[in-house]
Amino acid sequence: GIQVEQSPPDLILQEGANSTLRCNFSDSVNNLQWFHQNPWGQLINLFYIPSGTKQNGRLSATTVATERYSLLYISSSQTTDSGVYFCAVGYNFNKFYFGSGTKLNVKP
Amino acid sequence: NAGVMQNPRHLVRRRGQEARLRCSPMKGHSHVYWYRQLPEEGLKFMVYLQKENIIDESGMPKERFSAEFPKEGPSILRIQQVVRGDSAAYFCASSPTSGAYNEQFFGPGTRLTVL
Repeated sequence: GIQVEQSPPDLILQEGANSTLRCNFSDSVNNLQWFHQNPWGQLINLFYIPSGTKQNGRLSATTVATERYSLLYISSSQTTDSGVYFCAVGYNFNKFYFGSGTKLNVKP
Repeated sequence: NAGVMQNPRHLVRRRGQEARLRCSPMKGHSHVYWYRQLPEEGLKFMVYLQKENIIDESGMPKERFSAEFPKEGPSILRIQQVVRGDSAAYFCASSPTSGAYNEQFFGPGTRLTVL
């Protein structure tokens, strides 16, 4: 299967700071999603981004499929951004491979 | 448009009992995927189903686990004779079609605790 590595594994930020989360994957993919798992365990779709760049408010993401990585940018972080951010990649029949996540703690 | 529904949200079973987890996909979606998340880990694929068909069950343990997606009604993930190691969050996702460039939408999960 595809190997997915996320970095950093843990991140502590002061409210208002910016951050970049990285996702590297080992093979060609045609599906890539970023998720936020909130402290209650719910998975929230952030971006569906197999290639290119997208922005949604304070969040943006870029995937360079040919170089096998994706980046998630969080600007002006808020305490509600805390939780675990997962990158998931897939190909063919959408069997997603998840990374181990980046655990983000935003302090007030 | 309702999202992916899962029930129950929390399930407690004693060792040796059966657990039945249900998933109703989003309206218009005919593809269902089950994932398992152990504590402090990422999600792991278990099985991919379409109506009345199991397409890929490569992530499903060979024994005690089964899944179905009947013509009518929700998809069911069934775990027989549960053991403590089955304690995890089980997530269901759905998509409108299969193949490339296809977004999956996840339900809230069922948290199974085996005593």
